[in-house]
Amino acid sequence: ETGVTQTPRHLVMGMTNKKSLKCEQHLGHNAMYWYKQSAKKPLELMFVYSLEERVENNSVPSRFSPECPNSSHLFLHLHTLQPEDSALYLCASSQSPQGGYGYTFGSGTRLTVV
Amino acid sequence: AQSVSQHNHHVILSEAASLELGCNYSYGGTVNLFWYVQYPGQHLQLLLKYFSGDPLVKGIKGFEAEFIKSKFSFNLRKPSVQWSDTAEYFCAVIIDQTGANNLFFGTGTRLTVIP
Repeated sequence: ETGVTQTPRHLVMGMTNKKSLKCEQHLGHNAMYWYKQSAKKPLELMFVYSLEERVENNSVPSRFSPECPNSSHLFLHLHTLQPEDSALYLCASSQSPQGGYGYTFGSGTRLTVV
Repeated sequence: AQSVSQHNHHVILSEAASLELGCNYSYGGTVNLFWYVQYPGQHLQLLLKYFSGDPLVKGIKGFEAEFIKSKFSFNLRKPSVQWSDTAEYFCAVIIDQTGANNLFFGTGTRLTVIP
């Protein structure tokens, strides 16, 4: 384990479903991130939270809705997704939103939209 | 726009062969550089990082990388690969320290080591 825990590890959902991804860190980090990893594409930053406030939203479609209730937990709420949203969703944390000392990644949630 | 290029998409080597994976970035200012590794079915792990000082950085598992500022490169090397090095390798760059959206990843290089 890295210190960043993501659940579930795998998720299959229909286009009309609503589901949530969960991320938890107990590293004392102040910033948390959602990344999307698709085949043959660079990791894409989706959301950044610093001390529970959203700092960055990289023009992500509204069918992805993040929630950060405290500095240790981060959620990604999913609804009416499209098949092209199938990917590995990675959560990461860092000491600061600038991330200058590196990021710690979770194992990811493999999402398949059918 | 900032970008990180990893030109080798898939590298296949025999055990004991030497490895060099290329990484180039497009940014003229101060950078922090990283190599991450993702073993099959596992999470991204930090292999090594460069912030300043000696441009030759040594990481875990015998990996090293050299920062060549004039070439905007940060290539990863290992003198003798093992089967257990089979994984995907990602180069990443943080530019300056302002703002939060400043970590850029390459597309990754898949390394397959044949026993």
